[in-house]
Amino acid sequence: KQEVTQIPAALSVPEGENLVLNCSFTDSAIYNLQWFRQDPGKGLTSLLLIQSSQREQTSGRLNASLDKSSGRSTLYIAASQPGDSATYLCAVYTSGTYKYIFGTGTRLKVLA
Amino acid sequence: AAGVIQSPRHLIKEKRETATLKCYPIPRHDTVYWYQQGPGQDPQFLISFYEKMQSDKGSIPDRFSAQQFSDYHSELNMSSLELGDSALYFCASSPPTGGEYEQYFGPGTRLTVT
Repeated sequence: KQEVTQIPAALSVPEGENLVLNCSFTDSAIYNLQWFRQDPGKGLTSLLLIQSSQREQTSGRLNASLDKSSGRSTLYIAASQPGDSATYLCAVYTSGTYKYIFGTGTRLKVLA
Repeated sequence: AAGVIQSPRHLIKEKRETATLKCYPIPRHDTVYWYQQGPGQDPQFLISFYEKMQSDKGSIPDRFSAQQFSDYHSELNMSSLELGDSALYFCASSPPTGGEYEQYFGPGTRLTVT
């Protein structure tokens, strides 16, 4: 059974810092891994999707890497801003299933 | 670009009532997924449909049922509502598989049971 864990659970940093959010999963047989942002009480905003054959994806100040064999992904946020404050969720699409398994999330607060 | 549409966006029901949530996938998408996100929790998979047939099932209560119709839209029916059913319900859709298996999420329906 796929299990997805995110570390840290919460993070508070001053503006301008570079951040690394971690996601680990137990079953490496995956189709893809997706990072989402969620503001309080709001929906899911897709940030980056990494296919199982890819090593990383980049969008603006965000970079996500995938090491499928070790069951790990990292989301790197460069030059953090207060507007980046949100909960970040990673979700794994396991091979042979029809569903995403979500991680427990990292609540990020960037202080001005 | 068209996105997944969910209706209603907000719904308030009383205990023991029934609720129906609707999901309209992106055009030409043939697979629909439902997720439930309780307060302070991560989204949990409920059920999915591919070509109008149930394709996978998660921890969906027996009080809930769902189906996918010929136009690929899906409805989640929830009966005998309980306070614990208050949550954000997401629908997602995906296109005929081309090896990518990406799901596109809708904005969610917030259900409040009082």
